[in-house]
Amino acid sequence: QKEVEQDPGPLSVPEGAIVSLNCTYSNSAFQYFMWYRQYSRKGPELLMYTYSSGNKEDGRFTAQVDKSSKYISLFIRDSQPSDSATYLCAMNKGGGTSYGKLTFGQGTILTVHP
Amino acid sequence: KAGVTQTPRYLIKTRGQQVTLSCSPISGHRSVSWYQQTPGQGLQFLFEYFSETQRNKGNFPGRFSGRQFSNSRSEMNVSTLELGDSALYLCASSLGLSSGGADEQFFGPGTRLTVL
Repeated sequence: QKEVEQDPGPLSVPEGAIVSLNCTYSNSAFQYFMWYRQYSRKGPELLMYTYSSGNKEDGRFTAQVDKSSKYISLFIRDSQPSDSATYLCAMNKGGGTSYGKLTFGQGTILTVHP
Repeated sequence: KAGVTQTPRYLIKTRGQQVTLSCSPISGHRSVSWYQQTPGQGLQFLFEYFSETQRNKGNFPGRFSGRQFSNSRSEMNVSTLELGDSALYLCASSLGLSSGGADEQFFGPGTRLTVL
């Protein structure tokens, strides 16, 4: 079983919809949680970065972390066709044994159609 | 501020050959991490370098190696290539904070390696 599980989709929504993307994880040592967006033939781009449980908002994006349930979410409000991409969750345990090591979910392919 | 650059962008090799990929981090970043991305396994961590020292390593065979230079540029090498090594190889740079996790990673565009 993978340490981080993410529904690969694909997910297709109309423009303007609210999108909910989720990941679950099994290792309670994860402390830092990230969401990346990856367009086709590009490298991942960091969207959101959160530490421990709670919410963080940045424009149309909201990240939620629930450590008690080992569950993280990314919400996209007023989705646009330009949001069409693969969304990857990533996690890090922190501390010396985790230098540079992000553990990723499989990625969810999102298409926002006009 | 220039982003992370990787060269070459595309490579085609045959089985048994070796390959060297290069990564130039964002100016001021001292940590470089390497990842392999495949459709089946997703993004998997290879190793991380900071100040010319490997600080962390993933679960890849010894055919995969890397190094970092004094200007923080990094190279990774894959020897005796196998068909299964075909993948997108990504590097990411960060400040390399000692706390480990509180360290945002910024990715380059990747090198797409095809092994025939």
